[in-house]
Order: sequence, then C-alpha cells, then structure tokens
Amino acid sequence: AQSVTQPDIHITVSEGASLELRCNYSYGATPYLFWYVQSPGQGLQLLLKYFSGDTLVQGIKGFEAEFKRSQSSFNLRKPSVHWSDAAEYFCAVGASVYGNKLVFGAGTILRVKS
Amino acid sequence: AAGVIQSPRHLIKEKRETATLKCYPIPRHDTVYWYQQGPGQDPQFLISFYEKMQSDKGSIPDRFSAQQFSDYHSELNMSSLELGDSALYFCASSLYRMNTEAFFGQGTRLTVV
Repeated sequence: AQSVTQPDIHITVSEGASLELRCNYSYGATPYLFWYVQSPGQGLQLLLKYFSGDTLVQGIKGFEAEFKRSQSSFNLRKPSVHWSDAAEYFCAVGASVYGNKLVFGAGTILRVKS
Repeated sequence: AAGVIQSPRHLIKEKRETATLKCYPIPRHDTVYWYQQGPGQDPQFLISFYEKMQSDKGSIPDRFSAQQFSDYHSELNMSSLELGDSALYFCASSLYRMNTEAFFGQGTRLTVV
C-alpha cells in the first residue's frame, strides 16, 4: 500500500531564509507525487506535481521539488521564504492521476519568523 | 477559472442528525473525490466516482453514502452523526481521460454538537 512520511511536524524558518520540507513515499510502481499547501481553515492548493520526465519540477509561488527515486523522496524547496508562506504543507502520492485516490502525509506546519 | 464549489461552507448539526454535503466539480470534470480531514489530521480519502459510478472506496463509515448525479455534481449523505464526524470535508475533481490532477474545493466544515 502507498504511504507518505513527512518527518517534520513543525518547522520554523526566518523570513528570507531557505526552506526544505522532507517527504518520503512508499509505492511499488512509478508514483505520481504532489505537494499541496493549506492555510488555516482553507482548502488545499496544489503547489506542484511530478508525473514523469525531469525530476526537478517547478511550482507556483517560487517552490520547487526534486524527485529522487533512489531515496524515495520528493522534497520541497524554496530559496527565500516569505512571511505569507506560513501554512501547512502536505505531500501526497497517487497510484495514478487517472481517478485514483491520493494518500497524504501527516503534514508539516511552517512558521516564518521575521 | 471555475473551481470546485462545495456547499454549504459551514454546517452545525446535533448528534444523531443527518447532513448532506454537496460538491459541484469543475465543468467537464468527470471524476469526484471526497476526503475527510479531522482536526490536526491529514486528509483521508472516503470515496470517489467516475462517470456516476463509484470508482474507489476508502475509509467511509457505513453511516455515510454518496453518489454522483447526471450533471456530475456529487452529494455526501451522513446519517446518525457522531461527535467524531466533526471535520473538514473536501471534494476534489479531475478529468480522468486527460490525465489532470485533482483540484480541491474549499471544503465544508461540519461541526457536530
């Protein structure tokens, strides 16, 4: 069965500092990987996705993620964090984007200090 | 661009009552998913529909049922509500044959008192 591990429950970074959120997945075949962001009480917004091809994917809001098959990882990065990036971030894996369910990680809450 | 619409946004019910949540997918999307997110939890998949047929089932209680209608909107019916059903319920939609990712609605916050 698919599973997603986000080892960091909370992360605090200073505004302007770089950010890396970790995500490890377990899935037998080629995974479809996603990062979503959720502000308090709000819906889930897709930041980026990996289906195939280039293992470094660019997303919205200056985020990027790198798929590393050998490490079963899909870490999210941003070179310079803004205060508005404070939110909860979920990594998710899908067996296929063709109508299959997503399995989410537990989420990482990002706090940004000024 | 049109997004996934969920209604109502907020709902307060008493124990043992019933609730109906509605989801209107993005136009031309044919697949709908329902997720439940408890307080401080990650979203958990409940059920999905493709072309009005159930396509997958997750941890949906027997007290819940759902369907997708001819206009592709979906409804999640919840009966005999329990305090533990208090959560944020998300609907997402995608276009199966065009390999699109799922787009999420803003969610319905259900509070059972």
